[in-house]
Order: sequence, then structure tokens, then C-alpha cells
Amino acid sequence: EAAVTQSPRSKVAVTGGKVTLSCHQTNNHDYMYWYRQDTGHGLRLIHYSYVADSTEKGDIPDGYKASRPSQENFSLILELASLSQTAVYFCASSDGGGAGAEQFFGPGTRLTVL
Amino acid sequence: AQSVTQPDARVTVSEGASLQLRCKYSYSGTPYLFWYVQYPRQGLQLLLKYYSGDPVVQGVNGFEAEFSKSNSSFHLRKASVHWSDSAVYFCALSAFNSAGNKLTFGIGTRVLVRP
Repeated sequence: EAAVTQSPRSKVAVTGGKVTLSCHQTNNHDYMYWYRQDTGHGLRLIHYSYVADSTEKGDIPDGYKASRPSQENFSLILELASLSQTAVYFCASSDGGGAGAEQFFGPGTRLTVL
Repeated sequence: AQSVTQPDARVTVSEGASLQLRCKYSYSGTPYLFWYVQYPRQGLQLLLKYYSGDPVVQGVNGFEAEFSKSNSSFHLRKASVHWSDSAVYFCALSAFNSAGNKLTFGIGTRVLVRP
């Protein structure tokens, strides 16, 4: 069954440290996305990618980098983690970039920055 | 700019009762509208989506939603809820020709179904 997996599922990081969140999809989808979820907010788009070796900024990219080394893998990188980046992070994939394309989500990574 | 408002942060209903979750959107054109559900410790799953046609769209697990252009709304309904419907429900919007299919989400409504 097609799926989106994320690792780790939870992580505690120290302020100023580097954090890498990984996402792997077996959907054979071209598009992949990173969102963050905060209490009182819906999911907000950080970065997305529509082809390997290319990434695009979403609505809240500051403090984050993304990497798409292959169609299946998409990483989110926090070079200098900050307290404000404590959140739940979701990865998603979709078959196309059209407005009606369904996005398939991973289970999320709970990141706590201390 | 586009936005989605879900005015009810929490809703509690008894098992077997009906459920309605409200969603209002703001967008100058005609958007794609979605309802996603997030069960505990899981990612989001699509319940249904709408773009055009019959304003009442059927989804999975007995859910349906009704689109109203005049009210800029896309409310979700279920006639009789089960305890397993306890989850967080998100309304989302995607604009036609939106680069990268960026979804704009509401804050979600947490539904608790009491036995």
C-alpha cells in the first residue's frame, strides 16, 4: 500500500542545534510538502518540491531548509533550532500540483526544542 | 489572500447524534475545498473534496459536505456519529492554478464523541 513515512516520530533537540527530519514516500508522487502544525493554527506550508534536486519555499520558510535528493525522499533541515520551532511536522505527497490533487500525509514528527 | 475559518475549536456530541462542523472560506474565485480528518497519533486523511457540480458532496464513512457560494461556506455533516469519529477535522482550501497545490488550512475542530 502506498504510504508516507516520517522519521523520527519524535525528537527533543537543543536550542542552536541542527535537526533533520526525514520523509519517505512510496506513492510514486512527484510533489512533496512539509507542513508544521501548532496549537491554534492549522497546518502551514514550509517548503515543497515537485522534482528531485529542487525545492520551493512555502508560506513560512524562514529558519528551515529542504532537500529532495530523490523522488522518494524529502528532508526538512533546521540548521539552528529555536524554541519557536517546537511543533508537529507533517510531510505529504501528491500525484500532481493541480489545485484538486489529494495530498497524502505521513504520521507526523513531534519536535521539542529546549 | 485566501483564508479558512473554523469557528468551533471543540465539539462534543453523543454517539448516535448528528454532527455538523462549520467552515467558512475567503477567496476571490472558486476554490477547491477539502475536509481532512486527523485521528489520534496519525496523519491527515482526506474525507472529501469539492470543486464544482452538486453542492452536496459525499465522502467516506458517511460524511457529506455542502458548498454554498453565497455564504462562502463548506460545512461538514454526519447523520449519526460513532465513537470512532472522535478526531480533529480540518477544512482546507486550494486555489485553482495555485502553484504547487498549496493548501490553506483552518485551525481544526476537535470532535469528542461520548458513549
